Amino acid sequence: DTEVTQTPKHLVMGMTNKKSLKCEQHMGHRAMYWYKQKAKKPPELMFVYSYEKLSINESVPSRFSPECPNSSLLNLHLHALQPEDSALYLCASSPVSGDEQFFGPGTRLTVL
Amino acid sequence: KNQVEQSPQSLIILEGKNCTLQCNYTVSPFSNLRWYKQDTGRGPVSLTIMTFSENTKSNGRYTATLDADTKQSSLHITASQLSDSASYICVVSADTDKLIFGTGTRLQVFP
Repeated sequence: DTEVTQTPKHLVMGMTNKKSLKCEQHMGHRAMYWYKQKAKKPPELMFVYSYEKLSINESVPSRFSPECPNSSLLNLHLHALQPEDSALYLCASSPVSGDEQFFGPGTRLTVL
Repeated sequence: KNQVEQSPQSLIILEGKNCTLQCNYTVSPFSNLRWYKQDTGRGPVSLTIMTFSENTKSNGRYTATLDADTKQSSLHITASQLSDSASYICVVSADTDKLIFGTGTRLQVFP
């Protein structure tokens, strides 16, 4: 398996909902990343996990809560989001921190 | 300040024609430079990756060049196809987990 998968592909949620985004890879990579991408803008790094430990948090609001239950899985828990949080959320992985990153297809999130 | 600038912002070409996209960077220290292709609403897909010592790398109809002295890179697409319509993003790694993304060039190929 040589790809990063993300579910769901699309998500629509209200501002009071709690939802989670899921990312999975079975390439044995030990670094995983969450990015947020607004339309016509480059991806912005949110979080980095290295060996299942959070190594970088780019001052992301607490309504976004990452979790890395094991080396293959990365979740992003969402709570009390704002409409401006609507974006494409990309997950990526790399063999180790600093190596080439492989991106998943993304989850298109719409907050109403 | 680490920055990656790309030009043009957008480009329209006819199918079968060649085109060249430009990337200028001011990133230090420099680890590598990558070109990604991103279809609308999809994740970026790596086309090429070049380190400091490499000045040309090809991947099918895509050829990337790197001039580490002038801190410039280009992506040349030969014999364009409709499926080449996408955003092309230049990404520079500063030897950390943080990738410095360019704002991309939006390419549209028309029949």
